[in-house]
Amino acid sequence: DTAVSQTPKYLVTQMGNDKSIKCEQNLGHDTMYWYKQDSKKFLKIMFSYNNKELIINETVPNRFSPKSPDKAHLNLHINSLELGDSAVYFCASSQAGQGKDEQFFGPGTRLTVL
Amino acid sequence: SQKIEQNSEALNIQEGKTATLTCNYTNYSPAYLQWYRQDPGRGPVFLLLIRENEKEKRKERLKVTFDTTLKQSLFHITASQPADSATYLCALEEGSGNTGKLIFGQGTTLQVKP
Repeated sequence: DTAVSQTPKYLVTQMGNDKSIKCEQNLGHDTMYWYKQDSKKFLKIMFSYNNKELIINETVPNRFSPKSPDKAHLNLHINSLELGDSAVYFCASSQAGQGKDEQFFGPGTRLTVL
Repeated sequence: SQKIEQNSEALNIQEGKTATLTCNYTNYSPAYLQWYRQDPGRGPVFLLLIRENEKEKRKERLKVTFDTTLKQSLFHITASQPADSATYLCALEEGSGNTGKLIFGQGTTLQVKP
């Protein structure tokens, strides 16, 4: 059983398109996250949700809109894709939204914007 | 400004030796520090967490130290094996409570040669 799953694994699209990435966790955790890992391998938090409520929004352009239909799912919708959005996006979850909890990461979605 | 730094150069060691990776930070006062392993094309996997009042933490062949005076954490792998080859990320907590989040270093790639 995969703890944190994401779909799709790869996403190749043209500039200006809108795309979504889905994430699900079966760990019963209350908090979910989206991270972006750029070409230099820096992993940066974008959003966190606790029990479907937005907790952290890290000055991400409002073209990025997370949605949490329930606490096991956190999807990421991106409008008007730009070249600079190309990166690997990771979903993660933890029991509580604090730095004292280990985080469980999904396998990542490699987004390529042409 | 706040920074978390890991040696960006790859660390190459011989099988059986001890690998030591460094994580330095400035202008943070984290209560917790975590270490993750990331293999190519995969999400980070949690290894160890250490609290600010703990000097050292061990798990099998892994050992982490946390010196809040030096603002440094060291990550040791004893009796290293080729299977330990991966990128290792340190992450510290910024903020507290539900708004606490993990800030990641850029990672150090370890290559263990047989």
